[in-house]
Amino acid sequence: QQPVQSPQAVILREGEDAVINCSSSKALYSVHWYRQKHGEAPVFLMILLKGGEQKGHDKISASFNEKKQQSSLYLTASQLSYSGTYFCGTGDGSARQLTFGSGTQLTVLP
Amino acid sequence: DVKVTQSSRYLVKRTGEKVFLECVQDMDHENMFWYRQDPGLGLRLIYFSYDVKMKEKGDIPEGYSVSREKKERFSLILESASTNQTSMYLCASSRRQNNEQFFGPGTRLTVL
Repeated sequence: QQPVQSPQAVILREGEDAVINCSSSKALYSVHWYRQKHGEAPVFLMILLKGGEQKGHDKISASFNEKKQQSSLYLTASQLSYSGTYFCGTGDGSARQLTFGSGTQLTVLP
Repeated sequence: DVKVTQSSRYLVKRTGEKVFLECVQDMDHENMFWYRQDPGLGLRLIYFSYDVKMKEKGDIPEGYSVSREKKERFSLILESASTNQTSMYLCASSRRQNNEQFFGPGTRLTVL
């Protein structure tokens, strides 16, 4: 079953913050985050493993709450280059594959 | 620079035709994946392979088959294409479990 992402779409002004959530009905071992720009392939952002860690690079960070079976992606002081569709992919540890959510379309306006 | 390449960016086929989509990676990755991407549905896994000649069904394998005869190459086969298989097909590869997936540019397949 696909994880549920929210919101489905968000529009921001440059410099504003955004949070994208990813919730699963299954126990999670890992969460991946990817960004896909229009007409391009998805690109890996980060992976979070079981343990409730938080990760980040530049102004994009993420948290993983295994008890709640959810992860959140935080985009701080958004830039125009952050526009795209963000996907979370969840792994349950027993399989090699990920199950992706339906995506969150983020648009950053000047 | 790591790379996943797909044989075609755009493909138009007729209903009932046999269709081959090829994917090649140059990173010596063990895992390879085929996804289809449809608006509002995200990325759905069709098949994946964790070793040469090994394959496992994903979430939507019906109507598809795969082949992995060499480590670097993973093929998706539509035995008899149907209009509901019109979609964007993405190939990806990764090292073993829980490693980032590298995606190819995609093949937009239209079945008429």
